[in-house]
Amino acid sequence: GESVGLHLPTLSVQEGDNSIINCAYSNSASDYFIWYKQESGKGPQFIIDIRSNMDKRQGQRVTVLLNKTVKHLSLQIAATQPGDSAVYFCAESAGGSYIPTFGRGTSLIVHP
Amino acid sequence: EPEVTQTPSHQVTQMGQEVILRCVPISNHLYFYWYRQILGQKVEFLVSFYNNEISEKSEIFDDQFSVERPDGSNFTLKIRSTKLEDSAMYFCASSEDMVAAKTGELFFGEGSRLTVL
Repeated sequence: GESVGLHLPTLSVQEGDNSIINCAYSNSASDYFIWYKQESGKGPQFIIDIRSNMDKRQGQRVTVLLNKTVKHLSLQIAATQPGDSAVYFCAESAGGSYIPTFGRGTSLIVHP
Repeated sequence: EPEVTQTPSHQVTQMGQEVILRCVPISNHLYFYWYRQILGQKVEFLVSFYNNEISEKSEIFDDQFSVERPDGSNFTLKIRSTKLEDSAMYFCASSEDMVAAKTGELFFGEGSRLTVL
């Protein structure tokens, strides 16, 4: 079946390093891709989205890259801080639906 | 900053009992959602609600589940006869409109943890 999934379940980085979280998707009909951050004990929080006709979008300290050729999405966090420690989910909205479908999540651990 | 609030934060129930989880969406939002997250797993869509009707639902949302907006502020999820596998964190979310939802701008509450014994 079609799905959104993540390569790495856990990523450990040192404070100040850049982090890259990856996501593979298989639904070629998806037209929006989204990254969410979920801190411990809280609900997911929207970080950034990218439309399928783009290959890069930047936010504050975050960049999302989309490679439609290999159906790959990544979230880059610059100068990672301890407050970035959380589980990060990629999600997709397929054409014809406005409901984001979540992938499994990657835990980012930032060591001071 | 406006937020989605959920009650209770944790509920423990016996298998077969009915459970109602409550949510107060952000006041000017028109679309409401329930998602669930089994421990350590991904966040799964259950149902969306607009204009006092279900607009989309997943295969998880079977006849044991129902949603209601009983007044102008609350949005509830009822599980009629709980099963062990209903144990999960249930998240309510809201969005201003369909376009916001499409681009992922859902505002989630902090969740209600349901434990079925």
